[in-house]
Amino acid sequence: AQKVTQAQTEISVVEKEDVTLDCVYETRDTTYYLFWYKQPPSGELVFLIRRNSFDEQNEISGRYSWNFQKSTSSFNFTITASQVVDSAVYFCALSEDEMDSSYKLIFGSGTRLLVRP
Amino acid sequence: DTGVSQDPRHKITKRGQNVTFRCDPISEHNRLYWYRQTLGQGPEFLTYFQNEAQLEKSRLLSDRFSAERPKGSFSTLEIQRTEQGDSAMYLCASSVNGNEQYFGPGTRLTVT
Repeated sequence: AQKVTQAQTEISVVEKEDVTLDCVYETRDTTYYLFWYKQPPSGELVFLIRRNSFDEQNEISGRYSWNFQKSTSSFNFTITASQVVDSAVYFCALSEDEMDSSYKLIFGSGTRLLVRP
Repeated sequence: DTGVSQDPRHKITKRGQNVTFRCDPISEHNRLYWYRQTLGQGPEFLTYFQNEAQLEKSRLLSDRFSAERPKGSFSTLEIQRTEQGDSAMYLCASSVNGNEQYFGPGTRLTVT
């Protein structure tokens, strides 16, 4: 069975601090995708990143970076120099990548990030 | 390129009534998904269409729920004889094949 665990329910930081959101996943599939989505107070899920299970290279996009470690089944997300606009709920998700797959997303329960001025 | 749109954004209904939600995916996206999100939880998969074919349904989708995607464009999700437990945010997403899914703003359903 597939499962995504985000153990941090809520994190509060002061602006300009770095913050890491943890994500641990379980799957028996050999190929799969991992995702991060942002859900601001407006409610709409915003796609941030998709990584294939074969690609363990870390990725950086501006203040955002992602660390994928297959050995520990983790896909952590770091925001550098956080800003108030980063306040949102962040979801990690997993989908299988097999023939005839639906690619449905299995989400974690989310981490609420509050960045205080 | 417009994003995924959903209508209505909010729906309040009395228990036992039927409701129908609409989702318009990003044009040329062949896959369309419905998810349900309750307070404090991540979205949960309900069903998925590839073009007009409904190819997978979650066990969460009881007999009171039905979804269609005629002509492979917009989709509707109907809930018959609503129950208080149906109160949730209903999210629609679309994608091209197995690529990343883009979500609409959701329809918040409140059953009183």
